[in-house]
Amino acid sequence: DAKTTQPPSMDCAEGRAANLPCNHSTISGNEYVYWYRQIHSQGPQYIIHGLKNNETNEMASLIITEDRKSSTLILPHATLRDTAVYYCIVRVARGGSYIPTFGRGTSLIVHP
Amino acid sequence: DGGITQSPKYLFRKEGQNVTLSCEQNLNHDAMYWYRQDPGQGLRLIYYSQIVNDFQKGDIAEGYSVSREKKESFPLTVTSAQKNPTAFYLCASSPNPGTGGELFFGEGSRLTVL
Repeated sequence: DAKTTQPPSMDCAEGRAANLPCNHSTISGNEYVYWYRQIHSQGPQYIIHGLKNNETNEMASLIITEDRKSSTLILPHATLRDTAVYYCIVRVARGGSYIPTFGRGTSLIVHP
Repeated sequence: DGGITQSPKYLFRKEGQNVTLSCEQNLNHDAMYWYRQDPGQGLRLIYYSQIVNDFQKGDIAEGYSVSREKKESFPLTVTSAQKNPTAFYLCASSPNPGTGGELFFGEGSRLTVL
């Protein structure tokens, strides 16, 4: 089972910031939070990951709460091409390893 | 360029036939994964392999089989025992099997059973 909870859908106006929340209240101290996005009928694409500090790259920013129980992916200036399903994942312990486990993600629609 | 290649992109199968989906990576990654995606759903784990000649069942392994004879290859066979095989199949790899590392995905294979 996925260890994360995300809203099923969100929408955002083009040019505005898109803030995508994720709850991961059972995350352990050494687990990273990863974000991916999937455009229809393609393989998911890595966006960003973090442990406890906020992170930023050319695609997005990741804000992680101090207790690490939730995080927010920020697309600062959303474009129509950002319309996709966004997955927040942590790895699930399985047989001595940590396996990436996906939930249903958030379907983000960016409108003109 | 380094990456993951899945083939075929589209595949049609008659009921009762086995089919094999190819997944090849040249990233020198130890870990490889197979996921299944149904319309409007997330990705569900079928099988994974952390190292050559070893693989483990995921959440929905029934009706599927895999092999990992080479580091760069992780083919998935959809057998006739799989009751509802029509789906989008995604292969992924990562450099650090035990602890982390981002996933690199192929472009997927869409299987349709006629």
